[in-house]
Amino acid sequence: AQSVTQLDSHVSVSEGTPVLLRCNYSSSYSPSLFWYVQHPNKGLQLLLKYTSAATLVKGINGFEAEFKKSETSFHLTKPSAHMSDAAEYFCVVITGNQFYFGTGTSLTVIP
Amino acid sequence: DGGITQSPKYLFRKEGQNVTLSCEQNLNHDAMYWYRQDPGQGLRLIYYSQIVNDFQKGDIAEGYSVSREKKESFPLTVTSAQKNPTAFYLCASSSIPGARDTQYFGPGTRLTVL
Repeated sequence: AQSVTQLDSHVSVSEGTPVLLRCNYSSSYSPSLFWYVQHPNKGLQLLLKYTSAATLVKGINGFEAEFKKSETSFHLTKPSAHMSDAAEYFCVVITGNQFYFGTGTSLTVIP
Repeated sequence: DGGITQSPKYLFRKEGQNVTLSCEQNLNHDAMYWYRQDPGQGLRLIYYSQIVNDFQKGDIAEGYSVSREKKESFPLTVTSAQKNPTAFYLCASSSIPGARDTQYFGPGTRLTVL
């Protein structure tokens, strides 16, 4: 079965501290992996994507993610959280012609 | 500006009424998608279209209908047969049919059934 699991439904960090949002996937094929961000009552905005090039992918707003095939993970990180990073984050796995959304991680940034 | 527009942003309807949500894109994308988002459940695919005059059911198509008469438009009708229609609806498009290409999302329509 192909699927994606976001390991934390809620993450809270203090402003200026690192952010780690975890995503694991299962796939029989070489996957494409995406992270999207959604602010309240807004659509989803692409943060970054992995499509079998460099395993460390840099995205917008200082976010990056590393594809680790041996761990089937694609965790999203940022060195220093900003108040504007508070939002919902979705990991998306695409394998073959099927796409799968994670259930989302809500990030709270504490001033 | 290129992008995807959805209207209206908020929509209220009475039980038993059909309602149509608009989705327009000027990105010249071939593929378009409709998702439903409920709290804590991520996004679920309702319908998708890879080309004009063609569309396919997604995972939760029951109670919904779509049309794709023009490349830039993919309206979604929520019918009275949909048992729990209150949700946030997102439209997306991608340049390449099939799932490998990046999907770009509209701002969403929040539907509330009274």
